[in-house]
Amino acid sequence: EADIYQTPRYLVIGTGKKITLECSQTMGHDKMYWYQQDPGMELHLIHYSYGVNSTEKGDLSSESTVSRIRTEHFPLTLESARPSHTSQYLCASSDGTYYGYTFGSGTRLTVV
Amino acid sequence: SQQGEEDPQALSIQEGENATMNCSYKTSINNLQWYRQNSGRGLVHLILIRSNEREKHSGRLRVTLDTSKKSSSLLITASRAADTASYFCARRRAGGGADGLTFGKGTHLIIQP
Repeated sequence: EADIYQTPRYLVIGTGKKITLECSQTMGHDKMYWYQQDPGMELHLIHYSYGVNSTEKGDLSSESTVSRIRTEHFPLTLESARPSHTSQYLCASSDGTYYGYTFGSGTRLTVV
Repeated sequence: SQQGEEDPQALSIQEGENATMNCSYKTSINNLQWYRQNSGRGLVHLILIRSNEREKHSGRLRVTLDTSKKSSSLLITASRAADTASYFCARRRAGGGADGLTFGKGTHLIIQP
């Protein structure tokens, strides 16, 4: 049973559409993260948040944006999807430096 | 990759054998963590070892850390078919800079029944 939920699980969408990937956690964690992962490859950090109204860009430049209006909710938005955005997007949360991350099941995005 | 590497990239062993995966990194770390990922799913946290620790155990897992060599290893003893997955090491950097864990490309482990 997951304590961090991502929806949708799979999404196929046309070029130019606006999309929002949802991520919610029930653990009360302040720190939340978005990673991008291509098949068989490493994860790249694209956004993170230390708490409400805190968002930062990660190591990998991304055209997506995030918001953190509530502790439990950390959605990721793409204003205009392109085929280059096709990837798996993983959301995670953490209780602090010496704790592991809890990951959601991911959203596999395909832009056609 | 400037972030470090897991070795080997792929490993296939018989059920019941031990599996060893290695991880190297280049920057100073606060802690190092190992994760498992089943195909197409999210990652599951396995074990965390702090920079001042040398060895840690959890069930059939044993992790070692050598900060002088900037390397870590994950040993899975008495492997089972259910251990088939990709295994990633992730480093939390020491000092300032962007938060978040830095992941390697992973080791794909296949346990043959």
